[in-house]
Amino acid sequence: DIVMTQSPATLSVSPGERATLSCRASQSVSSNLAWYQQKPGQAPRLLIYGTSTRATGIPARFSGSGSGTQFTLTISSLQSEDSAVYYCQQYNNWPPHTFGQGTKLEIK
Amino acid sequence: QVQLVESGGGVVQPGGSLRLSCAASGFTFSSYGMHWVRQAPGKGLEWAAVISYDGSNKYYPDSVKGRFTISRDNSKNTLYLQMNSLRPEDTAVYYCAKVPSGYVGAFVDYWGQGTLVTVSS
Repeated sequence: DIVMTQSPATLSVSPGERATLSCRASQSVSSNLAWYQQKPGQAPRLLIYGTSTRATGIPARFSGSGSGTQFTLTISSLQSEDSAVYYCQQYNNWPPHTFGQGTKLEIK
Repeated sequence: QVQLVESGGGVVQPGGSLRLSCAASGFTFSSYGMHWVRQAPGKGLEWAAVISYDGSNKYYPDSVKGRFTISRDNSKNTLYLQMNSLRPEDTAVYYCAKVPSGYVGAFVDYWGQGTLVTVSS
């Protein structure tokens, strides 16, 4: 099974600054990587799929990059509403459709 | 718009059974694969099952294989998860989630709000 490892576990960034979240796969997942955002008490929401394609309605300040085993979610010009837990998921080698353990993003 | 509404959660004793349902609307249900994804209290997301658009392909992680069964009724636009031999570690919010194709090997584009299952004596 592919293991997805996210870092850091918690990230604290000031409003207006940039946040960089990482996701590493234990073996190549090509570009079959998605990112989700989950706010407290809510269901997750799709942000990015295919490594870098924004889902419908997702602001341009969210961007994804990477390939193979190393991936990055970048949130430029952070806003207070971006405070959430972010998960990556690989869908290249399945089952299982594995998620990372999440990165909690806090806005200072 | 896409709506996924889960029901059937509750409190069940260890070893018991429960069937979750997910009513889908706002899209052609019979054309899309569907997942169940769960989340234990305070923990991350764990994929629990997936089914193809026509029900012909189903997959499970080892943690639930042989105990959980995913199914669908395309005439009723409803997804199901039959959970047997429940264990305390199955306690979680269970989300119904849509795949953006009939194919099962893809990400989730829409999520329901979830239903809580608590396994406790």
